[in-house]
Amino acid sequence: DAKTTQPNSMESNEEEPVHLPCNHSTISGTDYIHWYRQLPSQGPEYVIHGLTSNVNNRMASLAIAEDRKSSTLILHRATLRDAAVYYCILRDWRYGNKLVFGAGTILRVKS
Amino acid sequence: DGGITQSPKYLFRKEGQNVTLSCEQNLNHDAMYWYRQDPGQGLRLIYYSQIVNDFQKGDIAEGYSVSREKKESFPLTVTSAQKNPTAFYLCASTDRGRAYGYTFGSGTRLTVV
Repeated sequence: DAKTTQPNSMESNEEEPVHLPCNHSTISGTDYIHWYRQLPSQGPEYVIHGLTSNVNNRMASLAIAEDRKSSTLILHRATLRDAAVYYCILRDWRYGNKLVFGAGTILRVKS
Repeated sequence: DGGITQSPKYLFRKEGQNVTLSCEQNLNHDAMYWYRQDPGQGLRLIYYSQIVNDFQKGDIAEGYSVSREKKESFPLTVTSAQKNPTAFYLCASTDRGRAYGYTFGSGTRLTVV
């Protein structure tokens, strides 16, 4: 399984943008980049995913490097409700669509 | 509303007992998954199923069993062979073969007493 590397934790101020980085240097051509977030004692919540092009949805934006070896999840205006663990995951649809979770990044948002 | 329902939310098990965790989805998803999460850790895959009557072991399948008799249901049995079953268990589903996101249930917290 292709691996991802994320910082253990990050801190942001409320109402400011947050850029959460992820390195995936062994990504293959069929891997989609997925992001999920998890609040304490809850199941992970899907945030966004992409293959090659940058993606936007109502929750966030995903910027993917041209060589696909890294990506950045962008929260445009952090709120206290965005404080969570954020997971960057590579999903290879050829092999059971498994998601392999790493430790993720703990995002703290200060008011 | 479509989603995944896990029950019960909290479960207590005596040592030596088998217990079954329920997972039901009404999303018409082909693939379903069971994950285990220990405090402060990421999720680890126990079992997954891409179609009815078929399932595969994940990374930590020992001491667990599953069945997939219906598309919407994927129950997980934690057997007495699982030496350290206290954990948070999460069920998920997704469309098979498509680049869709996973939908997760709200989890079952199992405690051995």
